Amino acid sequence: SQQGEEDPQALSIQEGENATMNCSYKTSINNLQWYRQNSGRGLVHLILIRSNEREKHSGRLRVTLDTSKKSSSLLITASRAADTASYFCATDAWDSSASKIIFGSGTRLSIRP
Amino acid sequence: EAGVTQSPTHLIKTRGQQATLRCSPISGHTSVYWYQQALGLGLQFLLWYDEGEERNRGNFPPRFSGRQFPNYSSELNVNALELEDSALYLCASSLDSLNTGELFFGEGSRLTVL
Repeated sequence: SQQGEEDPQALSIQEGENATMNCSYKTSINNLQWYRQNSGRGLVHLILIRSNEREKHSGRLRVTLDTSKKSSSLLITASRAADTASYFCATDAWDSSASKIIFGSGTRLSIRP
Repeated sequence: EAGVTQSPTHLIKTRGQQATLRCSPISGHTSVYWYQQALGLGLQFLLWYDEGEERNRGNFPPRFSGRQFPNYSSELNVNALELEDSALYLCASSLDSLNTGELFFGEGSRLTVL
């Protein structure tokens, strides 16, 4: 089962607008990461936020983490056509034996020119 | 510095055959992860290797197996292929053995089962 679930599944916005994606997860985490995937290719790491952090910025990216609600959001400001991609959150999750890094189902972002 | 490399890029097999996928991590990275991504879907965790040992595996049948070599490269074997095994198989490596750091992904191996 998925640890993280992104919302919305798909998002289409005009170039220049801001895009917000949300991620919810089920169990306690040490950190949460956001990745980007261009069509059918490998994932690229965007940002990591630790469980004791509430907000983090990197360029046009802003990530928030609310551990009480088990949720995170990724904000991309001033979107560009090149931001068109799928975005995934990933968390460390523990099962009976060991931890693993689990990805959500992703948000497909389309930027209209 | 070379990134994570995967081979082959594409692989076509028929039902019942076996497939072997290979991954070379970034130099110095000891952890290797394998994920399966069916078309248009999210990533499903398959296997995690660190320092030559299998640390965890996802909810996949035993016909999915792998290993990590002393040079930290890894291979994923899928036996008795089924049509639903058709997917992009992604390998990632990490410097961190505690699942607290960034993953670096390869471009994937696309397996098609006919």
